[in-house]
Amino acid sequence: DVKVTQSSRYLVKRTGEKVFLECVQDMDHENMFWYRQDPGLGLRLIYFSYDVKMKEKGDIPEGYSVSREKKERFSLILESASTNQTSMYLCASSSEARRGPEQYFGPGTRLTVT
Amino acid sequence: QQQVKQSPQSLIVQKGGISIINCAYENTAFDYFPWYQQFPGKGPALLIAIRPDVSEKKEGRFTISFNKSAKQFSLHIMDSQPGDSATYFCAARGRAGSYQLTFGKGTKLSVIP
Repeated sequence: DVKVTQSSRYLVKRTGEKVFLECVQDMDHENMFWYRQDPGLGLRLIYFSYDVKMKEKGDIPEGYSVSREKKERFSLILESASTNQTSMYLCASSSEARRGPEQYFGPGTRLTVT
Repeated sequence: QQQVKQSPQSLIVQKGGISIINCAYENTAFDYFPWYQQFPGKGPALLIAIRPDVSEKKEGRFTISFNKSAKQFSLHIMDSQPGDSATYFCAARGRAGSYQLTFGKGTKLSVIP
């Protein structure tokens, strides 16, 4: 079974702090994604990566950056957290070559910025 | 700009009834249409998916109906059960080789006994 794990289930940070959200997948997937989920807005793509050190902006990249130094790990960075970044953050991975377009999601990190 | 419109936002269905969730899209380049199910405290999980060369796909109590000319697709849950209570998201992929999914805003389904 594909497993996507996220470093924290709940996180509370202060405005202006630098925040790291970590995601690890164990199925050698090429593609990894970061979404944020807000009530009534669904899932919105922040960034994705289709290979190590490669990244592309999604629909809402402002205020975020990402890092992918190893194939299994994809990090989301909030350089200076703001209250409007309070949200549920979901990581996903996929492999078109192995399993088609299905994305496998982690359990999410609920981030609160105070 | 939302490219996949999902309705309704919430749905209450009696146990044993049929739950129907609808999605509409504009981009004719979309070539893969999955539905995800999300329980509270969990990440979304793929429920069922369809490609546009098929008009219907059924897996157990779950059916996707696809109308290419109308650019609409829907999820039908037959004999709905309280355990089906969850949030459902439709999604669409831009084209083969594109890794991005565009999600609808979600439908919160409550199945009451």
